[in-house]
Amino acid sequence: KNEVEQSPQNLTAQEGEFITINCSYSVGISALHWLQQHPGGGIVSLFMLSSGKKKHGRLIATINIQEKHSSLHITASHPRDSAVYICAVKIYIGRGSTLGRLYFGRGTQLTVWP
Amino acid sequence: DVKVTQSSRYLVKRTGEKVFLECVQDMDHENMFWYRQDPGLGLRLIYFSYDVKMKEKGDIPEGYSVSREKKERFSLILESTSTNQTSMYLCASSPLTGGLTEAFFGQGTRLTVV
Repeated sequence: KNEVEQSPQNLTAQEGEFITINCSYSVGISALHWLQQHPGGGIVSLFMLSSGKKKHGRLIATINIQEKHSSLHITASHPRDSAVYICAVKIYIGRGSTLGRLYFGRGTQLTVWP
Repeated sequence: DVKVTQSSRYLVKRTGEKVFLECVQDMDHENMFWYRQDPGLGLRLIYFSYDVKMKEKGDIPEGYSVSREKKERFSLILESTSTNQTSMYLCASSPLTGGLTEAFFGQGTRLTVV
């Protein structure tokens, strides 16, 4: 059982295409993260959101709390966007209101061809 | 520039050896985490700590232990390595200040047990 489901698992696109990665979760959350991992391992945070929509450059993240669903969009994709994109949800674990942990989706491998 | 630093990028160890993976953060964060990442499984939580000398088991603690003697340092210990512990190990930290707090990740340690 995985609290976070991500789709698709693999995604191939031509440069310039609009890309969408989806994330669904099954529990109440305090926040949702979209993370990016390039070959070599390091993970960086792209977005952290608890409602609505955020935009950073060509990347847009949306979340629908009622439907327990989030999407990451990349407009005008570029080969340098090739990476693994990971959805993670933060859930409080009961020891006070500030202690939380992340549950991760299995990631989406995006490859953008020139 | 905030940073989470893991002591090694690559390690090769023989079965049965003891391994220490060190993680240091310079952000004065209360929470620190150790994950392992395997293809098709995503990131799985091994142990975490929300304060000095405190530790909590994650989802897959078997075969591992941790130490947090100082706030900035969280060590993962593999007492007697086995081949099924070959994996990418990632450390992360986050502040103890509510829901919308960003997690910061180290570059990862790729451990191979032969």
